[in-house]
Amino acid sequence: EVQLLESGGGLVQPGGSLRLSCAASGFTFSSYAMSWVRRAPGKGLEWVSVISGSGGSTYYADSVKGRFTISKDNSKNTLYLQMNSLRAEDTAVYYCAKRSSKYYYDTSAYTDYWGQGTLVTVSS
Amino acid sequence: QSVLTQPPSASGTPGQRVTISCSGSRSNVGSNTVNWYQQLPGTAPKLLIYSNSQRPSGVPDRFSGSKSGTSASLAISGLQSEDEADYYCVSWDDSLNGWVFGGGTKLTVL
Repeated sequence: EVQLLESGGGLVQPGGSLRLSCAASGFTFSSYAMSWVRRAPGKGLEWVSVISGSGGSTYYADSVKGRFTISKDNSKNTLYLQMNSLRAEDTAVYYCAKRSSKYYYDTSAYTDYWGQGTLVTVSS
Repeated sequence: QSVLTQPPSASGTPGQRVTISCSGSRSNVGSNTVNWYQQLPGTAPKLLIYSNSQRPSGVPDRFSGSKSGTSASLAISGLQSEDEADYYCVSWDDSLNGWVFGGGTKLTVL
């Protein structure tokens, strides 16, 4: 059974940093691309970033480019999201998500499993 | 303002058929596949439809998807109270070079 368990969320001041983790199990972690998707309070889903199965290729939404870094440790079956220079508009529940393909650029792929999410609140 | 346009709300009575639309452009829905997700209150999203019209195993055949040109739609037949949730469409956008979601449709079962 595929399981994705996020951690690392919390309250942080504007301009601060936070690192989210996602522990994966139930599938061959290195064989699938992974992504982060967020949902701000009262708003809809927003794609944040994706990383290839090998971890060698990454892609970001313009809203987080240059501030967030996605990475994965295939030896630990763990996905990360390093978030720097956080803004109030980054406040959201962040979901870890498994893609159906190992390639980050596979536009016909889809997210087939999601974690339960971790809340990030950026406020002074 | 979301790149893909969905009605903010939809409703129906038990047993009815409802349709949720997802309108895009040539750079997204018109050129790429559309996936649909269901998000029940307080839970993670769940894949309902992939590649425009394919249902993952375990998703009831009451749910169906279609696409024509730059629009896609999700149909739910035999509406049940447990279908009350938020529904999202998503597609790759060739111009923005990223995945774009619709704003979501809140389905109410009356």
